[in-house]
Amino acid sequence: DTAVSQTPKYLVTQMGNDKSIKCEQNLGHDTMYWYKQDSKKFLKIMFSYNNKELIINETVPNRFSPKSPDKAHLNLHINSLELGDSAVYFCASSQGVGELFFGEGSRLTVL
Amino acid sequence: AQSVTQPDIHITVSEGASLELRCNYSYGATPYLFWYVQSPGQGLQLLLKYFSGDTLVQGIKGFEAEFKRSQSSFNLRKPSVHWSDAAEYFCAVDTSGTYKYIFGTGTRLKVLA
Repeated sequence: DTAVSQTPKYLVTQMGNDKSIKCEQNLGHDTMYWYKQDSKKFLKIMFSYNNKELIINETVPNRFSPKSPDKAHLNLHINSLELGDSAVYFCASSQGVGELFFGEGSRLTVL
Repeated sequence: AQSVTQPDIHITVSEGASLELRCNYSYGATPYLFWYVQSPGQGLQLLLKYFSGDTLVQGIKGFEAEFKRSQSSFNLRKPSVHWSDAAEYFCAVDTSGTYKYIFGTGTRLKVLA
């Protein structure tokens, strides 16, 4: 049973479209994250939620909107996709400040 | 601003050789320190972590790391590398327990048979 699961694993879409990525964790953790990994493998935090409350919101365009319906789920919606949004998006969770458990990533390609 | 530096972008070693991956951080106090490994097409997996106490920490897959406060370093070591260790390795820090993990740029390890 996968601890942190993301869907879909791959998205290919046109510029200007809207897309969502879903994330679920079954570890009982109270904190969830979205990270963006660019083509050079650089990992940057985008958002973090602790018990459904937004605690980290990095300088991300407001086209990106996270939503946490409950502490086991954290979704990412992206409006008006641009070429520069192409990346691998990782969901992660942790219990307090400690080890991050990562999903397998969602590779977004914007054409 | 806090930062994490991994000076080596690529490292190539022969199977059975020893390995050391370097990590330096910039932060006033002692942060929480982590090493993660990423295999192709996969998410990141924790190898080991340091919060406090003994400065030499043991991790999974035979890896260890040593925290040196005077050098602001947390280098990862393995005495004998296996072909399956070929992957991308990331050093990360969390300063003051803020949940705001900062990752280094990664070191890609290639293992020659």
